[in-house]
Amino acid sequence: QQQVKQSPQSLIVQKGGISIINCAYENTAFDYFPWYQQFPGKGPALLIAIRPDVSEKKEGRFTISFNKSAKQFSLHIMDSQPGDSATYFCAASHNAGNMLTFGGGTRLMVKP
Amino acid sequence: EPEVTQTPSHQVTQMGQEVILRCVPISNHLYFYWYRQILGQKVEFLVSFYNNEISEKSEIFDDQFSVERPDGSNFTLKIRSTKLEDSAMYFCASSEIQSTDTQYFGPGTRLTVL
Repeated sequence: QQQVKQSPQSLIVQKGGISIINCAYENTAFDYFPWYQQFPGKGPALLIAIRPDVSEKKEGRFTISFNKSAKQFSLHIMDSQPGDSATYFCAASHNAGNMLTFGGGTRLMVKP
Repeated sequence: EPEVTQTPSHQVTQMGQEVILRCVPISNHLYFYWYRQILGQKVEFLVSFYNNEISEKSEIFDDQFSVERPDGSNFTLKIRSTKLEDSAMYFCASSEIQSTDTQYFGPGTRLTVL
């Protein structure tokens, strides 16, 4: 019940295209859903996060869409750039604990 | 911009040896965490720490692991008797207030157990 499932495992997008990464969770107690970006040899860095009281959050080219009833959330990267090439992790947590539960990660490659 | 720092960047040890991984969280942060990432796999929670106590720990965090805040700046993870399967990237993270606040991750320590 603590799992967060992420898909796809890898994604290749042309420069300027839209990258879409999906996550699904089971634990309805989760109330915080961040996305982290990780470059090789670096730690995960927070990209954008959403709470279940809104269905969408946009920051620049990055948008999170959240579907509470389906227990799914997704990251959309508009106008994808080669510099966006990285591994993206969705995660979830709830107030009862401090731990972030991470999805399996998506390796994104944006081709120039 | 303040950041979480970790030392060493790479630690090589023999199986059965003790290792201590060190972290300096962001100075005004109160919550501290350790995560690990086995090569090619997802990031896994180990332990959270607040007010000099463990707040929560995962099943991975067994008796061979311990955490400590020995002074006002450092936060350490000790593995008493390392196993081959402890080889992983270990990330320290910190957050300013409570559990749903942003966790900022350090660059990690790559632990290799031979």
